[in-house]
Amino acid sequence: GEDVEQSLFLSVREGDSSVINCTYTDSSSTYLYWYKQEPGAGLQLLTYIFSNMDMKQDQRLTVLLNKKDKHLSLRIADTQTGDSAIYFCAEGLPHSSASKIIFGSGTRLSIRP
Amino acid sequence: DSGVTQTPKHLITATGQRVTLRCSPRSGDLSVYWYQQSLDQGLQFLIQYYNGEERAKGNILERFSAQQFPDLHSELNLSSLELGDSALYFCASSTRWSGEPNEQFFGPGTRLTVL
Repeated sequence: GEDVEQSLFLSVREGDSSVINCTYTDSSSTYLYWYKQEPGAGLQLLTYIFSNMDMKQDQRLTVLLNKKDKHLSLRIADTQTGDSAIYFCAEGLPHSSASKIIFGSGTRLSIRP
Repeated sequence: DSGVTQTPKHLITATGQRVTLRCSPRSGDLSVYWYQQSLDQGLQFLIQYYNGEERAKGNILERFSAQQFPDLHSELNLSSLELGDSALYFCASSTRWSGEPNEQFFGPGTRLTVL
């Protein structure tokens, strides 16, 4: 089945690292994505990882993928107030005639001073 | 600014009514996707069009329909509206019709309130 699960809320102190976790169900997923939604805005792609990779780093963002456990995480180093947003994990489902992405419910990240 | 525009920003209507949401994709993008975001259901994929043709269907109700026009803009039609249809409706566009990675660019959304 197609399902992506994430916890709904995460609160971290400013300057600490944030780790947002996600599990997915479809083992045929080829790409996994992290999108960010700021208040009052649409989603914006943050990063993605190909399913044969274990890790991808992009400045303050680190994505870890455990394909065996179908577990994906996003680590944000030195979390800032501007990182407050909802973070969506998503899996891309390969299909010959379409391009379908299944999103999780989103994790709301709040930053404590 | 993603380059995807959606109108209107807000829409308030009554149960049983019909509304049309409009989306213009980024210049050069041929794929358009519609999503519904509600508090209890999260972000649900509704439907995808590519260059005027329907490509994939998600959890779209029979009361809802969409189309993509020759100029590539898309409309989502919602009819016989119910209270539960109140949600944010997002349009996204991408260059790809299939295959990955599939970076989708999201519009700002239309907030629909059904009273």
